[in-house]
Amino acid sequence: QQQVKQSPQSLIVQKGGISIINCAYENTAFDYFPWYQQFPGKGPALLIAIRPDVSEKKEGRFTISFNKSAKQFSLHIMDSQPGDSATYFCAASISGGYNKLIFGAGTRLAVHP
Amino acid sequence: DTGVSQNPRHKITKRGQNVTFRCDPISEHNRLYWYRQTLGQGPEFLTYFQNEAQLEKSRLLSDRFSAERPKGSFSTLEIQRTEQGDSAMYLCASSSYRDRGYNTEAFFGQGTRLTVV
Repeated sequence: QQQVKQSPQSLIVQKGGISIINCAYENTAFDYFPWYQQFPGKGPALLIAIRPDVSEKKEGRFTISFNKSAKQFSLHIMDSQPGDSATYFCAASISGGYNKLIFGAGTRLAVHP
Repeated sequence: DTGVSQNPRHKITKRGQNVTFRCDPISEHNRLYWYRQTLGQGPEFLTYFQNEAQLEKSRLLSDRFSAERPKGSFSTLEIQRTEQGDSAMYLCASSSYRDRGYNTEAFFGQGTRLTVV
């Protein structure tokens, strides 16, 4: 059973625009929500992560918004650049245990110049 | 230490052959994970080691799969009698443990791409 649902599957954004990717989870025990960026032929790399004690976290052009009651979280990429073109995965895990990550299916982002 | 290292990067094998992959985690990390990623999907958890102990195995890990982490350092993942359905990217990740129950970031290697023909 898929526990983290991610949308959209693919996204095309013009340079300078805002990219928004959404995720929803089912397991209320999850309390760590990272976003990973993956380029072709490479392993996933952590982009930004949030814990449910805050509703938003911003690092540079990347922002996570978190809605605990709706069990949803999203990634916003401001001023999107062609170099941001990659596949983005949301994930969830339970702190206090080990870092077993449950991933969404991914969003392929293309930023056009 | 430049990160998690996986070898080989690519492996093509005939159906029915055995294959073994190696993962060298970040040296101070005591936790090691294997994931499998098929085309167009997110990584799926396979197994977890804390030091040399294998503490969880996913139901995805059939009895043809075995993983080891001798002495809590590098890890190997072996697939026996490979099948075409085993074709995937096999990713290794490592992390360490901090106080107060919070885990540190999991760092991934570049993966081993397996193609079974």
